[in-house]
Amino acid sequence: KAGVTQTPRYLIKTRGQQVTLSCSPISGHRSVSWYQQTPGQGLQFLFEYFSETQRNKGNFPGRFSGRQFSNSRSEMNVSTLELGDSALYLCASSQDTYSGNTIYFGEGSWLTVV
Amino acid sequence: AQKVTQAQTEISVVEKEDVTLDCVYETRDTTYYLFWYKQPPSGELVFLIRRNSFDEQNEISGRYSWNFQKSTSSFNFTITASQVVDSAVYFCALSETDAGKSTFGDGTTLTVKP
Repeated sequence: KAGVTQTPRYLIKTRGQQVTLSCSPISGHRSVSWYQQTPGQGLQFLFEYFSETQRNKGNFPGRFSGRQFSNSRSEMNVSTLELGDSALYLCASSQDTYSGNTIYFGEGSWLTVV
Repeated sequence: AQKVTQAQTEISVVEKEDVTLDCVYETRDTTYYLFWYKQPPSGELVFLIRRNSFDEQNEISGRYSWNFQKSTSSFNFTITASQVVDSAVYFCALSETDAGKSTFGDGTTLTVKP
């Protein structure tokens, strides 16, 4: 059973640019969550999608957005990049996160903003 | 608001020593879920265990064991006879109904020296 796949794995962007990260969940999983990991702030929840609908959102500015497609694949977009957006972005999938079902993480996308 | 505290930032042990990683949490919910994850240098968070608030039984899985005590809001993780391969960052996480929106501790970096 294939795990959670995130692309690209590494990327470098310039301040002011935008970036799109992709996440393919485990087959059969309908929930996709996104997290940002930085040395200073640790792991922080960005948002969660279930069946193409955003179900939860963390405390991030509107520059961070996402969507989920009918095949459960998800993308997140960060516009007008800032240096502080440099982080590891982790995607997690689950059959359904309600009732505490286990979430499985991908290897992440390492974003560096210069 | 939820909060997870992992007071130990870094722990260093010599191979075959036992080591306990502490996790203290705060939540107002009566139903919640606790998780431990391992993060190797590759970045992927590897699920280790899930425990719901109604199940206070301790659990043992090979060299790993977990002690859940609601009275002290703690969910500690012990590795017996540690090995070099156990070197990683370990995260404790808490979620309420929706595991997709988990609150993570800051992590404990475990180094096991040969």
